[in-house]
Amino acid sequence: DVKVTQSSRYLVKRTGEKVFLECVQDMDHENMFWYRQDPGLGLRLIYFSYDVKMKEKGDIPEGYSVSREKKERFSLILESASTNQTSMYLCASSFPPRTSGSSYEQYFGPGTRLTVT
Amino acid sequence: SQKIEQNSEALNIQEGKTATLTCNYTNYSPAYLQWYRQDPGRGPVFLLLIRENEKEKRKERLKVTFDTTLKQSLFHITASQPADSATYLCAPISGGYNKLIFGAGTRLAVHP
Repeated sequence: DVKVTQSSRYLVKRTGEKVFLECVQDMDHENMFWYRQDPGLGLRLIYFSYDVKMKEKGDIPEGYSVSREKKERFSLILESASTNQTSMYLCASSFPPRTSGSSYEQYFGPGTRLTVT
Repeated sequence: SQKIEQNSEALNIQEGKTATLTCNYTNYSPAYLQWYRQDPGRGPVFLLLIRENEKEKRKERLKVTFDTTLKQSLFHITASQPADSATYLCAPISGGYNKLIFGAGTRLAVHP
């Protein structure tokens, strides 16, 4: 069974703090993704990675950075947290398209609800 | 820009009826589209994938259609049950690396 875990379910941080969100998957997936989810806006892609040390910006990368030093681990970093980064953060992983036998679904972690005060 | 639209209002139906959810997309032609289920406080869970050359896909009580002319996908749950109550997300692929664009989701409530 594929498992994607996130380091915290709930997190409260102060404005200006540096925040690290960790994600680990155990399926040897090449692709990993970070989303944020806000009411009425759905999931919005922040960053994704298609290989170790490789990353691409998503739709809303401003104020965030990522790190992927190992295949199974993808970290999201808020350099200086702000109140408008209060949100639910979801990590996902998948095989890339054209992987034989895969339906390319993304497997999601349980989410981290981050509150910045 | 690419845009995904799902019914923002909740869909309330009676147990045993068929639920039909709509997903419309504009400004691009995805090679495939996925549907996910999300329960409150949890991450989405994959349900079905349909490719652009497939008109219809079924899995147990679920059926998905994909009309590339109308730029629309319909998601049906037949013989609905209260346990089907959740938010359903439509997600066409956008570009490479299995990058998806998610709709905001439609909340389904099935009443006994």
